[in-house]
Amino acid sequence: EAQVTQNPRYLITVTGKKLTVTCSQNMNHEYMSWYRQDPGLGLRQIYYSMNVEVTDKGDVPEGYKVSRKEKRNFPLILESPSPNQTSLYFCASSLRRDTEAFFGQGTRLTVV
Amino acid sequence: QKEVEQDPGPLSVPEGAIVSLNCTYSNSAFQYFMWYRQYSRKGPELLMYTYSSGNKEDGRFTAQVDKSSKYISLFIRDSQPSDSATYLCAMSARGAGSYQLTFGKGTKLSVIP
Repeated sequence: EAQVTQNPRYLITVTGKKLTVTCSQNMNHEYMSWYRQDPGLGLRQIYYSMNVEVTDKGDVPEGYKVSRKEKRNFPLILESPSPNQTSLYFCASSLRRDTEAFFGQGTRLTVV
Repeated sequence: QKEVEQDPGPLSVPEGAIVSLNCTYSNSAFQYFMWYRQYSRKGPELLMYTYSSGNKEDGRFTAQVDKSSKYISLFIRDSQPSDSATYLCAMSARGAGSYQLTFGKGTKLSVIP
């Protein structure tokens, strides 16, 4: 089954404790993105990648890092999480830049 | 002015009604227009995709793009309770240098049996 898999689905952590949210897709897509979704603000792009070893900032990159060492994986790294990063996070992938984005199920992160 | 404006609702309609959802945008570089549906606690899923002005129909759903007015719409005919979800418009610009999707904030729709 074609899918984008994120882990974990739920995470509660403390301020400053580094964490990684994994994202993997099995569709051989070149394009991958991370979004955060907040009430009243909608979906905002954090980072995107157009190919292996090619990443770029989206609209809200501060406090986040990403890497794309393999085509299928695109982890999101929070080196020093803060409470304002409490949010619902989605990973997405696309075959090309102008085709449908497939979204993962989401990761609900709470930073206390 | 935000790049994409979408009325967040909520919008509540009786079963069988015709629903109209809309977004306006300010960036004339947007060329690709999408509508996503998001059920509670799920990721968004693509409903409709267009890249030109005019109408595109898929079953009970019709997407309409008016580039001259910078206005897109999604119409749902014979709405069903299963259509209850948040609907997000999304847009992207042409150009090889970036891959950015800009989303509206979403409109929450409830279809009452």
